[in-house]
Amino acid sequence: DAKTTQPPSMDCAEGRAANLPCNHSTISGNEYVYWYRQIHSQGPQYIIHGLKNNETNEMASLIITEDRKSSTLILPHATLRDTAVYYCIVRPRSGNTPLVFGKGTRLSVIA
Amino acid sequence: GAVVSQHPSRVICKSGTSVKIECRSLDFQATTMFWYRQFPKKSLMLMATSNEGSKATYEQGVEKDKFLINHASLTLSTLTVTSAHPEDSSFYICSARPPASGTTYEQYFGPGTRLTVT
Repeated sequence: DAKTTQPPSMDCAEGRAANLPCNHSTISGNEYVYWYRQIHSQGPQYIIHGLKNNETNEMASLIITEDRKSSTLILPHATLRDTAVYYCIVRPRSGNTPLVFGKGTRLSVIA
Repeated sequence: GAVVSQHPSRVICKSGTSVKIECRSLDFQATTMFWYRQFPKKSLMLMATSNEGSKATYEQGVEKDKFLINHASLTLSTLTVTSAHPEDSSFYICSARPPASGTTYEQYFGPGTRLTVT
């Protein structure tokens, strides 16, 4: 079962920052927070992951609260191509545990 | 990132026939691959975990005799839907994980195969 809670949908104006929240209040000490997205009719795409420190890469930034019970994915300048379903997933970093997907947030970027 | 391919991208078959879907890791060896299924407007559901050289592990409710998984090499896993029925129509997605490198444990996903059973 998914251990995260995300809003079902969000809108964002093109060019603005998109901030996607995720609650994971039962996260354990050895679990990481992963973010993936799925553009319509495609396979999921890895975005970013983190443990407790904030992370940034060329796609996005991940802000994790100090108590690790929630996080926010930030797309700094959303474009129409960022329209997708975004999934927040917690899982142990090691081992062969597969990713378990919840319902995600459907982000619509509007021109 | 690592590349995972699937073939075919879409297939239409008649009820009662079997369909094979291939999943390949193109630039890395994957000892473990995963198969997911996704119905319209729903999230991905894990079907099975495939380990190279051994039997696949199926999730509860997934019929192993209907969804045959073979992971014969470190770069290829196949899913065969046997005696397909219209309710098997779905989007099938495979995923592979590179060997543990100490830096990443990400899963990489194929583009998916849309199966339509008529």
